[in-house]
Amino acid sequence: DVKVTQSSRYLVKRTGEKVFLECVQDMDHENMFWYRQDPGLGLRLIYFSYDVKMKEKGDIPEGYSVSREKKERFSLILESASTNQTSMYLCASSLLGSVEYFGPGTRLTVT
Amino acid sequence: AQKVTQAQTEISVVEKEDVTLDCVYETRDTTYYLFWYKQPPSGELVFLIRRNSFDEQNEISGRYSWNFQKSTSSFNFTITASQVVDSAVYFCALSLFGNEKLTFGTGTRLTIIP
Repeated sequence: DVKVTQSSRYLVKRTGEKVFLECVQDMDHENMFWYRQDPGLGLRLIYFSYDVKMKEKGDIPEGYSVSREKKERFSLILESASTNQTSMYLCASSLLGSVEYFGPGTRLTVT
Repeated sequence: AQKVTQAQTEISVVEKEDVTLDCVYETRDTTYYLFWYKQPPSGELVFLIRRNSFDEQNEISGRYSWNFQKSTSSFNFTITASQVVDSAVYFCALSLFGNEKLTFGTGTRLTIIP
């Protein structure tokens, strides 16, 4: 079974803090993705990576950065958290040309 | 750019009724994939099906069936004899061949009333 894990299910941070969301997959997948999910907007792609140290911007990259130093791990970084980044964050991974598998999500609240 | 529309925001049906979730997509590409995912209350998206644009055959898997019609750019999902465990948010999505990025619809919240 594919396993995608995220470091926290719930996270509360203050405005201006630097926030790290971690995602790990155990299936040697090339591709990894970060989405945010908001009511009425569905899932929107923030960043994705198709190889170690490679990254591409998704539809809403502003205010975020990512890091992929190892194939199994993909980190999402909020350099200076703001209240409009309060959301559910979902990580996914896939083999090339194959289905994306999702982690359980991290519900981030920025106060 | 691609677009996926799920016009039904919320649907409620009584258990054992059949229910159809609508999905309409837009793309100028001729080669693409269509997906359905289920998101139960636990939050994790569960993959249900992927179809490619060359295969318009309908698919059935137990109580689930999918109707793909390129003529109307639709990929609808039907649950037969619904059960309470089917209660979830369902997302339709699209990706292009050779491009791994998914474009999601806004989701349909399905509630099955016992």
